Amino acid sequence: DAGITQSPRHKVTETGTPVTLRCHQTENHRYMYWYRQDPGHGLRLIHYSYGVKDTDKGEVSDGYSVSRSKTEDFLLTLESATSSQTSVYFCAIRARTGDTEAFFGQGTRLTVV
Amino acid sequence: TQLLEQSPQFLSIQEGENLTVYCNSSSVFSSLQWYRQEPGEGPVLLVTVVTGGEVKKLKRLTFQFGDARKDSSLHITAAQPGDTGLYLCAGELSGGYQKVTFGIGTKLQVIP
Repeated sequence: DAGITQSPRHKVTETGTPVTLRCHQTENHRYMYWYRQDPGHGLRLIHYSYGVKDTDKGEVSDGYSVSRSKTEDFLLTLESATSSQTSVYFCAIRARTGDTEAFFGQGTRLTVV
Repeated sequence: TQLLEQSPQFLSIQEGENLTVYCNSSSVFSSLQWYRQEPGEGPVLLVTVVTGGEVKKLKRLTFQFGDARKDSSLHITAAQPGDTGLYLCAGELSGGYQKVTFGIGTKLQVIP
């Protein structure tokens, strides 16, 4: 199994509070991604990173920010959580350009009340 | 509107039956991937198809990429309870992996 760990695995937070989710990898892979998975929508890309300090927006980036200060860590921050951000969040990693295989973490279930 | 339409969305069959899951789009993909996801886990890659008309087999699973690279199918022969899960297709548009789009998935239940 690819060394990819998401934390926390579960979180309940209140509307308006900041939340940070962490993705940690031990594979030294260049590319890292954050997705959210919702019923009826499938997996949607929030943000991705193609190197340390290099990030870009995905399909559903509004309300989210990311940071990657080290190869192994990719943080997703909800600056002010809203109920619409209740979801399951997945981190994925990929080694290099042209690779088709992506490895996913186990997910973080976030509930905003 | 989903770029990749998967059908059916739900499928419940008896052990031993055959089934086919479809993934369709009006877009052309440089590659298409199939993943399987179990409850509480992340998706796990089953196969990647790249060439139009390509057929790949993984034990009892057969994957086919359409000639025009707009659609794909997954056929399972003699389904077993261990095949139960959510099957996702993902298409890669030109421009790198950030352009991968996922279908909603097919939730398969195989009843012993």
